[in-house]
Amino acid sequence: QQQVKQSPQSLIVQKGGIPIINCAYENTAFDYFPWYQQFPGKGPALLIAIRPDVSEKKEGRFTISFNKSAKQFSLHIMDSQPGDSATYFCAASSGGSQGNLIFGKGTKLSVKP
Amino acid sequence: NAGVTQTPKFRVLKTGQSMTLLCAQDMNHEYMYWYRQDPGMGLRLIHYSVGEGTTAKGEVPDGYNVSRLKKQNFLLGLESAAPSQTSVYFCASSLPGGAKTEAFFGQGTRLTVV
Repeated sequence: QQQVKQSPQSLIVQKGGIPIINCAYENTAFDYFPWYQQFPGKGPALLIAIRPDVSEKKEGRFTISFNKSAKQFSLHIMDSQPGDSATYFCAASSGGSQGNLIFGKGTKLSVKP
Repeated sequence: NAGVTQTPKFRVLKTGQSMTLLCAQDMNHEYMYWYRQDPGMGLRLIHYSVGEGTTAKGEVPDGYNVSRLKKQNFLLGLESAAPSQTSVYFCASSLPGGAKTEAFFGQGTRLTVV
């Protein structure tokens, strides 16, 4: 049972474009939603995270939009660069400090020069 | 700044062989995790530990065992490797607060079982 559904599986944009990656969840107990970025041959690294008490969070060129009623959240990358080419994972967790991260299946982003 | 270090980085096993993957972290984190990453499957939690001497099962624990004898180390064992365990394994650690805090990942171990 997949608890976090991520789409698209892959995405190609031109430099300067705004790729958008979407995630949806069912478990209303989820209360922490991070995004991780992974470059080839490396481990994932935290990019940005949001809690459900806010609808949007920006860090540099990266923005999370959160829609609690629709149980959806998305990552937008403004002015995308070839260096942003990576695999992006959304995740969700609940259950206090013992809750574990549930990851989406990932989106492979390619930004063309 | 070593962070989370995994050894080995690559390994090829024959079906039925055993091995242990070692994870070491130097950030004094309480929580440690083992994930496996397969194409199109994302990251799936195998086992985790919330402190020295304690371990718990994750989403896909079958065929694996773990031990956390020291706070800084988390070992993942395969007693009898199977081709289905061919994967990239990632160790991670985090502060108390577990999944609500940043998880720091190692660089992964690519395991092939033939």
